Amino acid sequence: DTGVSQDPRHKITKRGQNVTFRCDPISEHNRLYWYRQTLGQGPEFLTYFQNEAQLEKSRLLSDRFSAERPKGSFSTLEIQRTEQGDSAMYLCASSFPFRGAYNEQFFGPGTRLTVL
Amino acid sequence: KQEVTQIPAALSVPEGENLVLNCSFTDSAIYNLQWFRQDPGKGLTSLLLIQSSQREQTSGRLNASLDKSSGRSTLYIAASQPGDSATYLCAVRPRNGTASKLTFGTGTRLQVTL
Repeated sequence: DTGVSQDPRHKITKRGQNVTFRCDPISEHNRLYWYRQTLGQGPEFLTYFQNEAQLEKSRLLSDRFSAERPKGSFSTLEIQRTEQGDSAMYLCASSFPFRGAYNEQFFGPGTRLTVL
Repeated sequence: KQEVTQIPAALSVPEGENLVLNCSFTDSAIYNLQWFRQDPGKGLTSLLLIQSSQREQTSGRLNASLDKSSGRSTLYIAASQPGDSATYLCAVRPRNGTASKLTFGTGTRLQVTL
């Protein structure tokens, strides 16, 4: 299966610790997105890359959050000094704007973060 | 600011019924609209994507319509099955600039009973 993959699938951490998540997009996709989803809500946009360039960041992405996509392939999302309010599902998606159905976004399985 | 609303929040139907899920959005300047399915604790599976110039899309037992001017979309599921039980999310992508982010509704949780 060559879909979007995310690692780890689950992460439990203590408040104040740093965590890092990884996303591997579909191989030919040059756009990569991070979303956050809390219980009972729809996903909310965090940030978006085209190749290695981070083109947009949501105001939800506080100074404790940083995302990178150094070689335009996989991406990492780091949260420093985690807080209980960071507990959520972190979803990654990718797309290729010039092929297929009009930049359709394909999502990975998500990383479930629990901050104790 | 784009806002997306889905009604109802939850729905329970017996197997075999046809059903309609509703999605409304406040800003009609959209590039496209996607319907997703999400199983508990899982990621999102794309079901249908409708471009702003299109009126509807069909895939199997699913049919999605779009009325951009009124800010509405519906997802029609024919002959529902227990395996259709999941949360259904709609999301819109704005038309302007380089913004590619999707704005999601809060979803409709569907349960199809035997």
